[in-house]
Amino acid sequence: EAGVVQSPRYKIIEKKQPVAFWCNPISGHNTLYWYLQNLGQGPELLIRYENEEAVDDSQLPKDRFSAERLKGVDSTLKIQPAELGDSAVYLCASSARGQGYEQYFGPGTRLTVT
Amino acid sequence: GENVEQHPSTLSVQEGDSAVIKCTYSDSASNYFPWYKQELGKRPQLIIDIRSNVGEKKDQRIAVTLNKTAKHFSLHITETQPEDSAVYFCAASKSFGNEKLTFGTGTRLTIIP
Repeated sequence: EAGVVQSPRYKIIEKKQPVAFWCNPISGHNTLYWYLQNLGQGPELLIRYENEEAVDDSQLPKDRFSAERLKGVDSTLKIQPAELGDSAVYLCASSARGQGYEQYFGPGTRLTVT
Repeated sequence: GENVEQHPSTLSVQEGDSAVIKCTYSDSASNYFPWYKQELGKRPQLIIDIRSNVGEKKDQRIAVTLNKTAKHFSLHITETQPEDSAVYFCAASKSFGNEKLTFGTGTRLTIIP
């Protein structure tokens, strides 16, 4: 089966510009996660979706970050405006209830804000 | 919220020797503990996991132990090989993994040929 797909893989933008990341989870996985991974650190959850509902967005900086998962499949994470401190890898993961609960990660999008 | 601590941050072992990485967690409600391996520039990949109703699990050269009372769990890699070199992350979650994973800070393992 195809894994979690993310695009773009790399993005360089100037501060104050907007940026968007796209994720396509594994087919049939109803739970989707966006994690932020700073250099040398473990991933930290930004938001978790159950189907199209955001069930945990407590760590999402809502003043500049937004996310959506229309139709409960693909998801988009947006930052507007980007700040220098947003430079990191943005990882998408998905999982399916009843199948071991493993979270499968995508390759990530490496964002550099200059 | 949950807090996961991981030690050591770096570990170098001779090829063929064993490596042990230890983690502690704070939330007694956590019941799922996966270990991920992340090579440079790659995605985290699950290598083994354990649930709170099990004390130990083994998969070939990799084993994980869990002590619920002490709230700690460990990864053991035996007969290490150069391809084991990577960053390893422990994590903890409630609801057997269907909630967020709280990750440790990672251990950079280097296998010396």
